[in-house]
Amino acid sequence: GAVVSQHPSWVICKSGTSVKIECRSLDFQATTMFWYRQFPKQSLMLMATSNEGSKATYEQGVEKDKFLINHASLTLSTLTVTSAHPEDSSFYICSAREITGLNTGELFFGEGSRLTVL
Amino acid sequence: AQSVAQPEDQVNVAEGNPLTVKCTYSVSGNPYLFWYVQYPNRGLQFLLKYITGDNLVKGSYGFEAEFNKSQTSFHLKKPSALVSDSALYFCAVRHSSGGYNKLIFGAGTRLAVHP
Repeated sequence: GAVVSQHPSWVICKSGTSVKIECRSLDFQATTMFWYRQFPKQSLMLMATSNEGSKATYEQGVEKDKFLINHASLTLSTLTVTSAHPEDSSFYICSAREITGLNTGELFFGEGSRLTVL
Repeated sequence: AQSVAQPEDQVNVAEGNPLTVKCTYSVSGNPYLFWYVQYPNRGLQFLLKYITGDNLVKGSYGFEAEFNKSQTSFHLKKPSALVSDSALYFCAVRHSSGGYNKLIFGAGTRLAVHP
């Protein structure tokens, strides 16, 4: 099946630094990837839709300057949390749609990245 | 607007008993519905989906879900629960906006299966 890899799985950083999280589709091409944020014991909140070769589409209330998304190739999207603060601590999950899922919306998810900002 | 509701925060069931995790939806048009499972500190794993066809959908790990249009429900079921089924379960509906298809997730239901 389609595999999505996320790296790093865990990251701890100091307040004010920037952190980059990578999302790769390992055995398929993904023109569209999605970034979600999940707070403890809560559902997934869609942050943005990442489109290969173009700007990401951000959901309402998500700061695009804070959460930089780059989708430079058909297999890689990155999320950079800039000038991170403790309130940015969360579990970030990426997902990608396999080409056959274009009409059904089925997504394949990465394992998630837990960010802790001290 | 498309939305999904999971009315139960947690479901407790004894091992070997049948389980049901509830989901209701609100969509315009034909619904595309999904169930995903999440284990601690992990991403989501796809269980099953309903696009069209038979109302009873069979998925991974012995799970199935029944699409009920009149009740706008898509409850997840399993005839005999295992302790290893204990996890967080999410119902989702496809939402089309701005030319893109996205998944909108319910709040999640924590399933606890006791030995």
